[in-house]
Amino acid sequence: DGGITQSPKYLFRKEGQNVTLSCEQNLNHDAMYWYRQDPGQGLRLIYYSQIVNDFQKGDIAEGYSVSREKKESFPLTVTSAQKNPTAFYLCASSIGDSPEAFFGQGTRLTVV
Amino acid sequence: GQQVMQIPQYQHVQEGEDFTTYCNSSTTLSNIQWYKQRPGGHPVFLIQLVKSGEVKKQKRLTFQFGEAKKNSSLHITATQTTDVGTYFCASSRGSNYKLTFGKGTLLTVNP
Repeated sequence: DGGITQSPKYLFRKEGQNVTLSCEQNLNHDAMYWYRQDPGQGLRLIYYSQIVNDFQKGDIAEGYSVSREKKESFPLTVTSAQKNPTAFYLCASSIGDSPEAFFGQGTRLTVV
Repeated sequence: GQQVMQIPQYQHVQEGEDFTTYCNSSTTLSNIQWYKQRPGGHPVFLIQLVKSGEVKKQKRLTFQFGEAKKNSSLHITATQTTDVGTYFCASSRGSNYKLTFGKGTLLTVNP
């Protein structure tokens, strides 16, 4: 089955620790995205990547970092600099010439 | 940057009533997409509109793109409990793949 896999589904971390969220896709999509979802805030773009080895900041990139070393993988690191890391994180991908986004199941991160 | 404003934020209806959510932008949009997110789930693509004045239908759902390409609407006729969820509009700018989402409209349906 083709799709986007995010792991884990739930993640707990202590304040001050960095944590990396995994996102893998086997759809052969060029573009990948990370969104953060908070109640009443909709989806806010953190980072996106249109091709391998290239990525751009989204609207709320502070406190986050990404890498795109392989086409199928786009991991997101939530650093200790992110002031409010507890949220639902969604990874998505799209074909280069079609902006329709396919989403993973999401990772719910709780920092205590 | 490009922003899309979505209203209302919440809508509660009785089963069988109609529902409409609106998406507005101060700038001309290249396209508009609509997504549905079931409670506890992830957004799922519904449709994309790209032409001025375009209207598309999917069973009980009707999607419209304004003549000026600055607004869009999603209308559901005779809602059912399976329609429950949050409906988002989103738009990308030209060849830029960056998708900007509205804040969504949460629809609840009373059976």
